[in-house]
This record gives sequence, C-alpha cells and structure tokens, in this order.
Amino acid sequence: RKEVEQDPGPFNVPEGATVAFNCTYSNSASQSFFWYRQDCRKEPKLLMSVYSSGNEDGRFTAQLNRASQYISLLIRDSKLSDSATYLCVVRLQTGANNLFFGTGTRLTVIP
Amino acid sequence: SAVISQKPSRDICQRGTSLTIQCQVDSQVTMMFWYRQQPGQSLTLIATANQGSEATYESGFVIDKFPISRPNLTFSTLTVSNMSPEDSSIYLCSGSSRLVGTEAFFGQGTRLTVV
Repeated sequence: RKEVEQDPGPFNVPEGATVAFNCTYSNSASQSFFWYRQDCRKEPKLLMSVYSSGNEDGRFTAQLNRASQYISLLIRDSKLSDSATYLCVVRLQTGANNLFFGTGTRLTVIP
Repeated sequence: SAVISQKPSRDICQRGTSLTIQCQVDSQVTMMFWYRQQPGQSLTLIATANQGSEATYESGFVIDKFPISRPNLTFSTLTVSNMSPEDSSIYLCSGSSRLVGTEAFFGQGTRLTVV
C-alpha cells in the first residue's frame, strides 16, 4: 500500500466553480501535512501547510482528519491560474528522511 | 523560505556518458534530498545526501548509478552515470530542516534527455 494516495484526476472545472481534493495516508504516525502546487515543467512549491484545526488562505481551505487519515483541499471560486497539479505531502517525524508524496491531482480550470 | 539553486536547468546527453547536477542551498536547510520525476509521474526519492558521508539510497537506486556527494552543509551533487534513454527525467534537489512541521523546498529541477 502506498504511503500517500490521491485521485490523479484530471479534474476539469469551469471558472468560478468549487473543487475539492482528498488524500489519504497510511501511517498513523504521520505528523505534518502539506499541499504543494506544481505547474507544468516547474518544481513543486508549497501551497499551504495543513493543521489539525484546519486552515484557510483566501480561496483555499485545508482540512485534516486524523481519525480517518485523510486531508483535503478545497478551492473556491476557481481561477484559470489555479490550473496545476496539486500534490499531497506527508511527513512522519522530525529528523528523518520522511517526506512522502502523493501522485498529484491534475486540475484544469476552463474559461 | 529557503533558497535552493540547481544547475544545469536542462541538458541533452549521449547515452553512455555521465552528467553531474549541482545543488546549492542556503543555511536554513539541514537535510538535502534528490528526487526524480518522470513524465506524468510524481516525485520518487533517489537518496538522502548526508554531509561528509555516503548518501542513503532508496530501494531501486544504487551508488554506482547515482553517486552523490555532499562535502558541506549547503552543497550537493548528483551524478547520473552511464546514461541510457530510460534515465531521461527531471531531477530535483530538495532541502528541509529537521524540525517537525517544516516543509521541503525544491530547486528548479534539471530536465535531462538522453539520446
């Protein structure tokens, strides 16, 4: 079983739509959670960290459900510029090589 | 955020040759990693670059094929040896601190094409 699993998509949504991605992780010892964004032919960049209490940054909301071992990303009022691949990333513990990446979910926002 | 510089950004190489990729990080980074990303795929960890000692390789990757150096805290190299077309990929340097809750940063990547 993979450490982190994501629906690869693609998700094709119209501008202004709300879209949600889910990601599940297998190791209950996971401590830190992140969503990264990767544009075509670019390196991944941190979109937001995911905190136990959930967090919001503008149109983006991230949630963590430790009991069910999944994290989610909600994008409201989608923009064309949101088109990218969104990577779910899980970190196990301090001090170790412990980052696990999902396969990424591809989002295309259509005019 | 940490600054990570990686070069070359791209290269086209003949099969059987080797390419060395360099990565320079700023002082916020204590851990360094090398990843490979094949077209349409997610990132696969090649190895952790250990300062002053041999890298720690993931299953499926070996030192003879991907020798890694990290002579000091802020610099590392990855060599792709005896290349074949199957090695065509994007290679990414990454850095992170050891602190829980901190994210990883990435270099700009090296797009390698082996012909």
